[in-house]
Amino acid sequence: DADVTQTPRNRITKTGKRIMLECSQTKGHDRMYWYRQDPGLGLRLIYYSFDVKDINKGEISDGYSVSRQAQAKFSLSLESAIPNQTALYFCATSDYSGYTFGSGTRLTVV
Amino acid sequence: KNEVEQSPQNLTAQEGEFITINCSYSVGISALHWLQQHPGGGIVSLFMLSSGKKKHGRLIATINIQEKHSSLHITASHPRDSAVYICAVISSGSARQLTFGSGTQLTVLP
Repeated sequence: DADVTQTPRNRITKTGKRIMLECSQTKGHDRMYWYRQDPGLGLRLIYYSFDVKDINKGEISDGYSVSRQAQAKFSLSLESAIPNQTALYFCATSDYSGYTFGSGTRLTVV
Repeated sequence: KNEVEQSPQNLTAQEGEFITINCSYSVGISALHWLQQHPGGGIVSLFMLSSGKKKHGRLIATINIQEKHSSLHITASHPRDSAVYICAVISSGSARQLTFGSGTQLTVLP
């Protein structure tokens, strides 16, 4: 099994729908992150969490919310999806030895 | 000006060539990641380094903290090395946030 697992891998949803992207990890890391990647742009940070009780906004948090259900689980929600949220989303974990990324969720909002 | 600049943005090489990808950054860092992203989208960490040089197989990464510059070298390149290579710096301080370059698309032709 992958160290960082994202579900779903691909999703097409309609404008205005609520959608949740899930991330689970077996690394035992406290720190978890959600990033989005758009063509031609670097990855940008949406939200991050340093432990279960700690949630922080990243540079592009508007339109997103997160939940850290346990040390191993960090989910990202789009409350009302819009087309410009079409992107590749990555979950990542880290400790002092570095970062580990999930395989990504390709989200298309039509 | 982006905090992390990579060059070149695109690189096409013939199989067997020696390849260099450069990364310059303008912020204080505690470490730097070189990441690889294949067409399927998943991101894999190749190296994390904070000084000197690391080698893994045909890949070599170097960093010069004083000059705020890192290079990724691929010796004896192969078509399977075709991917996007991303430089990402970990900010100094407790936040330890990743800031990403926009990536270098490498294509190795047989």
